[in-house]
Amino acid sequence: DQQVKQNSPSLSVQEGRISILNCDYTNSMFDYFLWYKKYPAEGPTFLISISSIKDKNEDGRFTVFLNKSAKHLSLHIVPSQPGDSAVYFCAARSKNTGNQFYFGTGTSLTVIP
Amino acid sequence: DTGVSQDPRHKITKRGQNVTFRCDPISEHNRLYWYRQTLGQGPEFLTYFQNEAQLEKSRLLSDRFSAERPKGSFSTLEIQRTEQGDSAMYLCASSRRGDRGTYEQYFGPGTRLTVT
Repeated sequence: DQQVKQNSPSLSVQEGRISILNCDYTNSMFDYFLWYKKYPAEGPTFLISISSIKDKNEDGRFTVFLNKSAKHLSLHIVPSQPGDSAVYFCAARSKNTGNQFYFGTGTSLTVIP
Repeated sequence: DTGVSQDPRHKITKRGQNVTFRCDPISEHNRLYWYRQTLGQGPEFLTYFQNEAQLEKSRLLSDRFSAERPKGSFSTLEIQRTEQGDSAMYLCASSRRGDRGTYEQYFGPGTRLTVT
């Protein structure tokens, strides 16, 4: 029962171009979404988040877009840098399960210099 | 802020043995989470503490798993009678409620458990 799905296991992008990572969800009770970045041998690191009352949140090179009708969110990284190469997880919180967070399976981003 | 620490980083045990992991959260964080992550998957929620109270547990969490957070500081996760299917990375995260109701969690490096 995968409620948060990242259908692209991997993505390669040239340095300086835009990286777009996608995430779909099924639970209409999700009200808060987060993106995490993970390097090998480290725990995930928080990147950016968005509440369901918004459709866009921007922080420097990172922008998250939320399309509630499509149950879809995306993370845009512009411009992409080699240091952005990592596994990216999207996560969601449900209103009715409080503090349980549901993670996707991750997308491995490689930024090619 | 020294970050979330976990101990040990690696544990190899034989099937049937008990293991215990420790997590030290960021000191001012009152919320603590345990997750399990297997290869090719995202972190899977196990349990959640607010201060010393264990408020939520995954319905998938076996009775062999128990967690504590005495005094609302560090936490331990114990797995009794380990099985090969318990082999995974066990992640701990902590957070505090942000001013705008934000929920960012700060993760430790994880404990990798291998059950032989």
